[in-house]
Amino acid sequence: QQQVKQSPQSLIVQKGGIPIINCAYENTAFDYFPWYQQFPGKGPALLIAIRPDVSEKKEGRFTISFNKSAKQFSLHIMDSQPGDSATYFCAARSMSKLVFGAGTILRVKS
Amino acid sequence: DSGVTQTPKHLITATGQRVTLRCSPRSGDLSVYWYQQSLDQGLQFLIQYYNGEERAKGNILERFSAQQFPDLHSELNLSSLELGDSALYFCASSGQTGAVGGYTFGSGTRLTVV
Repeated sequence: QQQVKQSPQSLIVQKGGIPIINCAYENTAFDYFPWYQQFPGKGPALLIAIRPDVSEKKEGRFTISFNKSAKQFSLHIMDSQPGDSATYFCAARSMSKLVFGAGTILRVKS
Repeated sequence: DSGVTQTPKHLITATGQRVTLRCSPRSGDLSVYWYQQSLDQGLQFLIQYYNGEERAKGNILERFSAQQFPDLHSELNLSSLELGDSALYFCASSGQTGAVGGYTFGSGTRLTVV
């Protein structure tokens, strides 16, 4: 119940494309859903986050869509760029700790 | 620079040995979290400290222990090391117990056990 399932494992898109990464959870006690971006050799960095009472949040080219009834949320990257190539992790918070998805390796081809 | 400092960046040691990883949280943050990242297990929560006290425990082995000192820096001690302990170890900090906002991660310590 503490798991967050993330898909796909890897993703390749052309520059300008819109990669979509999906996550699903079971635990209804989760109250905060952040996305992290990680470049090789670096720690994960907070990208964008959403609370379950909001269905969508946009920050620049990044959008989170949240479906509370389906217990699913997703990250969309508009007009993707080669610099967006990284590993993306969804996460969910319960009782002050974050549970992470397995990660999605995104490659944006120029 | 995220403001969370981890040392050392790299560590190579032999099986059976003991190592200590150090983390200085972002200024003002009271909570410190330790995560282990390996290729097949992703980011696994190990333990959380808040203002010097253990607050939450995850999948931390008995061979591992941690503490947070009065100046809020934290240390993760790994003993009787095995090959399978080779991984990236991340420290993260947050301003509260985690009830609001996300974490700020350090750059990690890459541990290689040979």
